[in-house]
Amino acid sequence: GQQLNQSPQSMFIQEGEDVSMNCTSSSIFNTWLWYKQDPGEGPVLLIALYKAGELTSNGRLTAQFGITRKDSFLNISASIPSDVGIYFCAGQTSSGTYKYIFGTGTRLKVLA
Amino acid sequence: NAGVTQTPKFQVLKTGQSMTLQCAQDMNHNSMYWYRQDPGMGLRLIYYSASEGTTDKGEVPNGYNVSRLNKREFSLRLESAAPSQTSVYFCASSERGSRSNYGYTFGSGTRLTVV
Repeated sequence: GQQLNQSPQSMFIQEGEDVSMNCTSSSIFNTWLWYKQDPGEGPVLLIALYKAGELTSNGRLTAQFGITRKDSFLNISASIPSDVGIYFCAGQTSSGTYKYIFGTGTRLKVLA
Repeated sequence: NAGVTQTPKFQVLKTGQSMTLQCAQDMNHNSMYWYRQDPGMGLRLIYYSASEGTTDKGEVPNGYNVSRLNKREFSLRLESAAPSQTSVYFCASSERGSRSNYGYTFGSGTRLTVV
């Protein structure tokens, strides 16, 4: 089946640092989504990307849809303790299905 | 608040027992989904329902059945629970339109342990 490789798997950072994570696929996607999951909760949508090359921001978060359509990147600037959680990428193929494929997640821990 | 409601939040089953996980959404979404989340494996699709009256298998359907009771409700049934089904189960819904890419709204999950 299709795979989404998300990296890094986990990271510890100091408060105030910038964070970068990425997601790569063996298939072309026409939509990329980035979610955050807080402990004990379901994932919540952060950013949606619909076009190759698109760069979209949501507060301190910025995500990009790779020009090859096989990757996406998420950056968090000036991290704060509440950024802790698991970040998932998800992609939708161009086959017209209603299903998204999820990455395995990046677990972020912020040290105050 | 509008959203996806899952019940129960926690459940412990003995091997071989059956149970149904309930999910309801009040956003008038057409599509609904059941995922399971296991450590290091992300979210894997069990079953989905693109619209009322239809259901389809996802990536890991074995051992599960689903029912799309109406537009609001989508239930997941374990007929004979096994320890391998210990997981966190998430229900999600999405709108299907000219751009079928509105993303999912997730429930808060059901934590199931099979002993």
